[in-house]
Amino acid sequence: DGGITQSPKYLFRKEGQNVTLSCEQNLNHDAMYWYRQDPGQGLRLIYYSQIVNDFQKGDIAEGYSVSREKKESFPLTVTSAQKNPTAFYLCASSIGAGGFQPQHFGDGTRLSIL
Amino acid sequence: AQRVTQPEKLLSVFKGAPVELKCNYSYSGSPELFWYVQYSRQRLQLLLRHISRESIKGFTADLNKGETSFHLKKPFAQEEDSAMYYCALKGFCTNAGKSTFGDGTTLTVKP
Repeated sequence: DGGITQSPKYLFRKEGQNVTLSCEQNLNHDAMYWYRQDPGQGLRLIYYSQIVNDFQKGDIAEGYSVSREKKESFPLTVTSAQKNPTAFYLCASSIGAGGFQPQHFGDGTRLSIL
Repeated sequence: AQRVTQPEKLLSVFKGAPVELKCNYSYSGSPELFWYVQYSRQRLQLLLRHISRESIKGFTADLNKGETSFHLKKPFAQEEDSAMYYCALKGFCTNAGKSTFGDGTTLTVKP
């Protein structure tokens, strides 16, 4: 069954720790995205990658890092520099980064600070 | 900077009534616009996109470049249309690949 898999569904972090959220897709899509969603707000773009070994900052990249070593994987690391990491994180992919390509979304990971 | 505005956080209509979810955008160039929908306990998914000029589940959206709008319309709302709707813009030339979402509108269709 093709799709995007995000894991884990829930994640807890202690203050000062880095944590990595997983996103895997088997849709053979070139482009992948990470969004953050806070209550009452829309999706805000953290990072996006148009192709393997390349990625660009989105609107709220500070305190986050990504890698794109494989086409199917786009992990997001929330670093200790992110001052308010508690949020819902969504991963998405599209066939290409071209404007008219729609995005396919995962189920999301909810990150909480202990 | 590209921006998407959905002025209504909540919208409530009765079954059979027309519904319009508003979306305004700001973008220096020709944008590609999308409507995404999230039904209860389901993933966010594409509803329709500007370039396809199609009607999905009775919904249509017309790009009005003069008013920089991409409102979503349905002439007769159904209870199963109750969901969260997001308008999104994707850069085509400027900021190619970068996407921006509105804050979303929660639509409730009452019986």
